Amino acid sequence: NAGVTQTPKFQVLKTGQSMTLQCAQDMNHEYMSWYRQDPGMGLRLIHYSVGAGITDQGEVPNGYNVSRSTTEDFPLRLLSAAPSQTSVYFCASTSKGVTDTQYFGPGTRLTVL
Amino acid sequence: GEDVEQSLFLSVREGDSSVINCTYTDSSSTYLYWYKQEPGAGLQLLTYIFSNMDMKQDQRLTVLLNKKDKHLSLRIADTQTGDSAIYFCAESPYSGAGSYQLTFGKGTKLSVIP
Repeated sequence: NAGVTQTPKFQVLKTGQSMTLQCAQDMNHEYMSWYRQDPGMGLRLIHYSVGAGITDQGEVPNGYNVSRSTTEDFPLRLLSAAPSQTSVYFCASTSKGVTDTQYFGPGTRLTVL
Repeated sequence: GEDVEQSLFLSVREGDSSVINCTYTDSSSTYLYWYKQEPGAGLQLLTYIFSNMDMKQDQRLTVLLNKKDKHLSLRIADTQTGDSAIYFCAESPYSGAGSYQLTFGKGTKLSVIP
């Protein structure tokens, strides 16, 4: 298993540009989440999905869209990038086992100029 | 809303024990987690504890939970240089599938001095 994969690893955007951060998992997990990590802020939940076709907002959803057309993929879209979205983005998927383990991807480091 | 607090830095000598502390405010927290993040990497689940437990030991790791004070600690015995990383405390009021709604602390950067 590859686990949770994210692409790209690094990205630089100009203000106003759009892009999609890709996330995929091959563990057949139903639950997937997107977090952003900012210095001194820990991780904050952006959006999450409990299954294909179902998404919901987390703590900081503004400026981001998500969709979940398949169990494996959970892309995060920035429609019009802003400098405040400069961050490291982590995708995670969760098993339904007793340990409720969240598996995290390696992250995408995004800079918006 | 929920809040999870941690001290930001901890420095210990190799071979000593490290204790990383965390406090949380949500009394409905059911699951409490410790994650480790090495430089440039994602988060790795180290251990977890249910709110009906006081202590959990897993090899060099000991988790203590004081529900009355809403205080959680992670003790790493015989700390090694490979333990240098950022450690995150996280909580969830949900079991099972709801654990995707984690609230994280800001992380404690552990530096191990050889």
